Amino acid sequence: DTEVTQTPKHLVMGMTNKKSLKCEQHMGHRAMYWYKQKAKKPPELMFVYSYEKLSINESVPSRFSPECPNSSLLNLHLHALQPEDSALYLCASSQVQDNEQFFGPGTRLTVL
Amino acid sequence: RKEVEQDPGPFNVPEGATVAFNCTYSNSASQSFFWYRQDCRKEPKLLMSVYSSGNEDGRFTAQLNRASQYISLLIRDSKLSDSATYLCVVNLGTGRRALTFGSGTRLQVQP
Repeated sequence: DTEVTQTPKHLVMGMTNKKSLKCEQHMGHRAMYWYKQKAKKPPELMFVYSYEKLSINESVPSRFSPECPNSSLLNLHLHALQPEDSALYLCASSQVQDNEQFFGPGTRLTVL
Repeated sequence: RKEVEQDPGPFNVPEGATVAFNCTYSNSASQSFFWYRQDCRKEPKLLMSVYSSGNEDGRFTAQLNRASQYISLLIRDSKLSDSATYLCVVNLGTGRRALTFGSGTRLQVQP
């Protein structure tokens, strides 16, 4: 299995909702990442987990809360988001941190 | 100066043309280099890693010039399906231990 999967593909939520994005990989990779991407911009790193521990938090607002339950799974919990948080949220994994990354198809999030 | 810099384009080329993109990086200690391709509304996909000796994969050739701190991507015999944004990605080796993305170069291959 050489892919990264993400659910849901699309998500529409209100500013008071709580939702979670999920990411899974079965390549035995030990680093996993969350990125945010706005239209016509490159992916912007949010969080990095290495060996299931949070390695990098790019000063992301606390309304985004990552979780790594095990080496194959990565979640992003969302609460009290703002309309400007609407974007494509990409998960990626790599064998170890710093190696080439493989991306999931993303979750397209709209905050109303 | 941006840490990883690319010409945003767009590069509009006819089918069959050869096109080259450059990407400059700020840190001479940068350790690894990649080209990714991203289609509209899709995820980035790894196109190729860039090695010190240069490497080729079919119509695609990647080169690294450490002295001038840039990497290049050459596409020969362009196809319509090559139309995409090409992202230069660098491990800057600053201790941050994360890859840094360039802003991407848009390629449009025309019939």
